[in-house]
Amino acid sequence: NAGVMQNPRHLVRRRGQEARLRCSPMKGHSHVYWYRQLPEEGLKFMVYLQKENIIDESGMPKERFSAEFPKEGPSILRIQQVVRGDSAAYFCASSPPGGRSGNTIYFGEGSWLTVV
Amino acid sequence: QQQVKQSPQSLIVQKGGISIINCAYENTAFDYFPWYQQFPGKGPALLIAIRPDVSEKKEGRFTISFNKSAKQFSLHIMDSQPGDSATYFCAANSGGSYIPTFGRGTSLIVHP
Repeated sequence: NAGVMQNPRHLVRRRGQEARLRCSPMKGHSHVYWYRQLPEEGLKFMVYLQKENIIDESGMPKERFSAEFPKEGPSILRIQQVVRGDSAAYFCASSPPGGRSGNTIYFGEGSWLTVV
Repeated sequence: QQQVKQSPQSLIVQKGGISIINCAYENTAFDYFPWYQQFPGKGPALLIAIRPDVSEKKEGRFTISFNKSAKQFSLHIMDSQPGDSATYFCAANSGGSYIPTFGRGTSLIVHP
């Protein structure tokens, strides 16, 4: 999973600031997924993107959260006006285009957001 | 609504023992069942996976047992080692979707 690159690894933001988390998928992968992990909880799906398209955002909070995966550059998860409850580990994963390929997605090492 | 239920939440095993983690699901459309291993401060990594057309899959010390009629599957870690101490997540995908639904995770500690 080292092929999926996330940055920053750790981010501290004050309440009300914006957080931007970046994800570069594995080489050859064009599908990106964002998950959130809270302490004592599992991985919660947030959004699934392909280049320039949001495919499934059923897990995204309706307000303050947005995601994009532009034609060029990394995918970005943006959290506006952060609150303490946003403190969590955010994981990005990627998968290759087309086919089932074992339905496997590959995770990055995560970005830990702390809101103070 | 938790689509994949995982138990136990935590597990302590002695070195050399067998670790068993169980998962159950409701959605009969699920057709791919991966297990992920996560070490502290790291991302989840695929450990082993199974499709419902087989009842068991073994890779080294790790075995998945699958019971389609009961809609249950489990991970067995034979000869558990301290290096196996990690959080384990079961997951399920449906209909060729890449998006896995995860269980809540099991924190495994293997004592030397």
